[in-house]
Amino acid sequence: AQSVTQLGSHVSVSEGALVLLRCNYSSSVPPYLFWYVQYPNQGLQLLLKYTTGATLVKGINGFEAEFKKSETSFHLTKPSAHMSDAAEYFCAVPYNFNKFYFGSGTKLNVKP
Amino acid sequence: EAGVAQSPRYKIIEKRQSVAFWCNPISGHATLYWYQQILGQGPKLLIQFQNNGVVDDSQLPKDRFSAERLKGVDSTLKIQPAKLEDSAVYLCASSLGTGIPRELFFGEGSRLTVL
Repeated sequence: AQSVTQLGSHVSVSEGALVLLRCNYSSSVPPYLFWYVQYPNQGLQLLLKYTTGATLVKGINGFEAEFKKSETSFHLTKPSAHMSDAAEYFCAVPYNFNKFYFGSGTKLNVKP
Repeated sequence: EAGVAQSPRYKIIEKRQSVAFWCNPISGHATLYWYQQILGQGPKLLIQFQNNGVVDDSQLPKDRFSAERLKGVDSTLKIQPAKLEDSAVYLCASSLGTGIPRELFFGEGSRLTVL
């Protein structure tokens, strides 16, 4: 069965610190990989995506993610956290016929 | 460009009552999805439409949930009768569809509370 695993349901960092949110997927074929962000009482919006080509992908708001096939991972990072980054982050992988599976999410808390 | 529209934003009902949610996708988007997001969990796919046909409804509890997408545009999701465990946010998303995976565009969701 296809699955998407996000380690750590809550991550807390200080403002200015490195953000690292983990995502691992199960797949037997080269994947497409997405990160979405959800602010309170809002829908999800695309942060970044990997399709083909460069394995380091840059997204909005200074976030980036690196596709590592050998580790089946697509971890999300940001060098310096900002208060406005506080939100919930979801990793998503589309499988057959664009059926998107989402991870369980990681809530990022940024402390002043 | 208008985004994905959903209504109502909030709904409170008692168990065994019925409820309907409406979604208007982005113009030209062939694929429409309904997701259920229970508090503390990631979105779970309920049903996926391609134009007005169902691509996948394997996780839709068909004894109480139904969905349709007439004319391949708007969609409604109905729950009848509702159970306590149906309390969740129902997210509608749309995308350009077929071929390589395309970005999903989400509405703001419809939050259902079943008492």
